[in-house]
Amino acid sequence: EVQLVESGGGLVQPGGSLRLSCAASGFTFSPYSMNWVRQAPGKGLECISYLSGNSKTIYYANSVKGRFTISRDNAKNSLYLQMNSLRDEDTAVYYCARNTAAPSGGMDVWGQGTTVTVSS
Amino acid sequence: DIQMTQSPSSVSASVGDRVTITCRASQGISSWLAWYQQKPGKAPKLLISAASSLQSGVPSRFSGSGSGTDFTLSISSLQPEDFATYYCQQANSFPRTFGQGTKVEIK
Repeated sequence: EVQLVESGGGLVQPGGSLRLSCAASGFTFSPYSMNWVRQAPGKGLECISYLSGNSKTIYYANSVKGRFTISRDNAKNSLYLQMNSLRDEDTAVYYCARNTAAPSGGMDVWGQGTTVTVSS
Repeated sequence: DIQMTQSPSSVSASVGDRVTITCRASQGISSWLAWYQQKPGKAPKLLISAASSLQSGVPSRFSGSGSGTDFTLSISSLQPEDFATYYCQQANSFPRTFGQGTKVEIK
């Protein structure tokens, strides 16, 4: 079964750090570009970061640029998001999502999400 | 960044109704548009990619059309399991951006 499983969420104080992980299984991970998408409570979807399969192409949304770092370990079939200098507005469910094999085809596999709460 | 605007924000409909949701991009995105369905507490599900290509396993009552800046998602005969929130997303350039969502509610 093709699957993504996120972990690492939790409660953190403003200014703190957290590292999210996304474990992939059921498919060959390395060729696929990946994303982190978040959803604040009661709000819509925001794609905050993209990473190509070979880690050579990276994009960040302006809202997280300079604070978050996306990375992957293809040997471990894993995607990561290092989140530093967390703010209240970073509170959200964080999803990892796989891009389709076809270019510009959308995100066809999603994890169940991990919840990050930033609060003092 | 490309802004994606969906309309309406919500729609009330009955089982069997035809529902149409529109999505407008702030600049041309060719056919690089995806549609997702999200139910409460669940991850989004990809329904349509490249504006009109139905994902495997998605019922044929769902269809997508459009190119450039204007796109539509249609549900030909609404079923009980279709009550959800629908999002469009442009896949033309980075950062990828989503519409604000359209909630399809039971009338």
